[in-house]
Amino acid sequence: GAVVSQHPSRVICKSGTSVKIECRSLDFQATTMFWYRQFPKQSLMLMATSNEGSKATYEQGVEKDKFLINHASLTLSTLTVTSAHPEDSSFYICSASGPSSYNSPLHFGNGTRLTVT
Amino acid sequence: AQKVTQAQTEISVVEKEDVTLDCVYETRDTTYYLFWYKQPPSGELVFLIRRNSFDEQNEISGRYSWNFQKSTSSFNFTITASQVVDSAVYFCALSSSGSARQLTFGSGTQLTVLP
Repeated sequence: GAVVSQHPSRVICKSGTSVKIECRSLDFQATTMFWYRQFPKQSLMLMATSNEGSKATYEQGVEKDKFLINHASLTLSTLTVTSAHPEDSSFYICSASGPSSYNSPLHFGNGTRLTVT
Repeated sequence: AQKVTQAQTEISVVEKEDVTLDCVYETRDTTYYLFWYKQPPSGELVFLIRRNSFDEQNEISGRYSWNFQKSTSSFNFTITASQVVDSAVYFCALSSSGSARQLTFGSGTQLTVLP
């Protein structure tokens, strides 16, 4: 079964509104979570890395004020797309790793397809 | 800097044919991990294999096999007797020991298996 749950799987919102995406680790403590974005027919690009209890580290070119990441607990990280615009429409997917799973495959959520109208 | 190259953008084969997906990587780290993921049209990433840099043994799992060659920095993936359900985008990815497990993905190969 899934070890990382991502919600919602699909969301449609109007331009200017904010959308929150949740990523939960189901049966392990996720000390680190990663947020990726995938545009149609493109690869996954890392947006940011979040460690529980500390500020997220954003990749170059990713606006931290637009993509707010909160990793307040060992099982939950949230990505909030603020003041969404049509160009933010994309597939967002998270992955999670625990402290004892260094050699394990990263677990991915099922992704969230965001459409901004 | 790390880089993963999947030169094949799209591959189309007829069912039951064998197909090899190429993956070439670049890293300065001596310890690293290589992955293959499958992404069907529904979007989720399905883990297929992880290999660390010290294990060059080839691996076979059912119809899937992987050929890891450090000398050429390649980690190729072969599907034997392909099936229509194998149609998906396949990603090769790299994680170095110092990167806290974030992945660098290749651009993906769209595999279409025709009946």
